[in-house]
Amino acid sequence: QKEVEQNSGPLSVPEGAIASLNCTYSDRGSQSFFWYRQYSGKSPELIMFIYSNGDKEDGRFTAQLNKASQYVSLLIRDSQPSDSATYLCAAPGEYGNKLVFGAGTILRVKS
Amino acid sequence: GAVVSQHPSWVICKSGTSVKIECRSLDFQATTMFWYRQFPKQSLMLMATSNEGSKATYEQGVEKDKFLINHASLTLSTLTVTSAHPEDSSFYICSAREPGLAGGPRSNEQFFGPGTRLTVL
Repeated sequence: QKEVEQNSGPLSVPEGAIASLNCTYSDRGSQSFFWYRQYSGKSPELIMFIYSNGDKEDGRFTAQLNKASQYVSLLIRDSQPSDSATYLCAAPGEYGNKLVFGAGTILRVKS
Repeated sequence: GAVVSQHPSWVICKSGTSVKIECRSLDFQATTMFWYRQFPKQSLMLMATSNEGSKATYEQGVEKDKFLINHASLTLSTLTVTSAHPEDSSFYICSAREPGLAGGPRSNEQFFGPGTRLTVL
């Protein structure tokens, strides 16, 4: 059974700081990873995808993948109160057609 | 692109009645859709995988006779909660895979609908 682990938080950061969210996964063969953001009462929306080792940047977001250590992280620079949400890490599941989601990390950005 | 809609966005029903929720892919044909349930302050729970033209694959512990899934076309999957009870009150979310991404690194990416909040009285 493939697993994705996240610290549930909440992670509290002041406005303008860098928020660092971490995720570990059990299947060493996993190739692709997804970060979804879910606001309270809403459905998840994709914010980052990463496939290769190293960093991938998109605006204020940077995803980092370390396959040797089996972890994925999401950095949010210049955090804003509007970034307050639950962040879900996901990796392909068994047989490749499903996604296995972590439990999510609650991020609170305080102004 | 890759927009998924759900209808209704919320529904309130009496205990013992059945409720149908629709999930549509608006600008692509989705051969595979997924149904999730999420209770307040809890994580997403996959209920079943819906495949066009074939029976749904249910996750362990999900009652297939209670949660009927039909994926009769490439753009529509429906979830019917039969004989709903208050404990079925939850946020039901569908998602779909975009066939155009198949074979590539993003092939597992799921596009989520806005969700349906079900309240059973």
